[in-house]
Amino acid sequence: KAGVTQTPRYLIKTRGQQVTLSCSPISGHRSVSWYQQTPGQGLQFLFEYFSETQRNKGNFPGRFSGRQFSNSRSEMNVSTLELGDSALYLCASSLTGRPPTDTQYFGPGTRLTVL
Amino acid sequence: AQSVTQPDIHITVSEGASLELRCNYSYGATPYLFWYVQSPGQGLQLLLKYFSGDTLVQGIKGFEAEFKRSQSSFNLRKPSVHWSDAAEYFCAVGLKIAGGTSYGKLTFGQGTILTVHP
Repeated sequence: KAGVTQTPRYLIKTRGQQVTLSCSPISGHRSVSWYQQTPGQGLQFLFEYFSETQRNKGNFPGRFSGRQFSNSRSEMNVSTLELGDSALYLCASSLTGRPPTDTQYFGPGTRLTVL
Repeated sequence: AQSVTQPDIHITVSEGASLELRCNYSYGATPYLFWYVQSPGQGLQLLLKYFSGDTLVQGIKGFEAEFKRSQSSFNLRKPSVHWSDAAEYFCAVGLKIAGGTSYGKLTFGQGTILTVHP
């Protein structure tokens, strides 16, 4: 079974631009979560989607948005990029998004650099 | 609000030595507890988790962790470290709520980087 895939793996953008990151969950998984990882702030939860609906949201500005498609693939978008948005963006999928019995699997991440 | 503290930012051990990574949480009840490992350039992999029952939990790759309610701790241990264990380790706490929690409510520690010397 293929794991969680994220595209692209690396991305360089300039301030003010917008970016879209993609995540394909493990087949059959309906929950997709997004995290931002930075050296200073660590791992922070962005949002979770389940069956095309946003179920949870972290404390990020409205510039960060996401969506999930009927095949459970998910995208996240960041508009008006700032230098501080440079980070590793991780996607994770699980069957139901309900721990602890349901295990969450992470993708390798997309490394975004904002210049 | 729940919080997770990993007191050690960086730990160095020799290959074959034992390992203990510390994790303390602040929360009013028994939460769900997790340990993840992240190798360079990779996502996180679940090592083990605790949610009820036996307080000593066995995980993958020879790791185990012990939940100690009195100390609000969930320390990760391995009796003999291998060079391939070099990575960053994250402790995470999940909130138990009526109706079930979600992975979106996990709080992660800042991580502990493990270096293994030959």
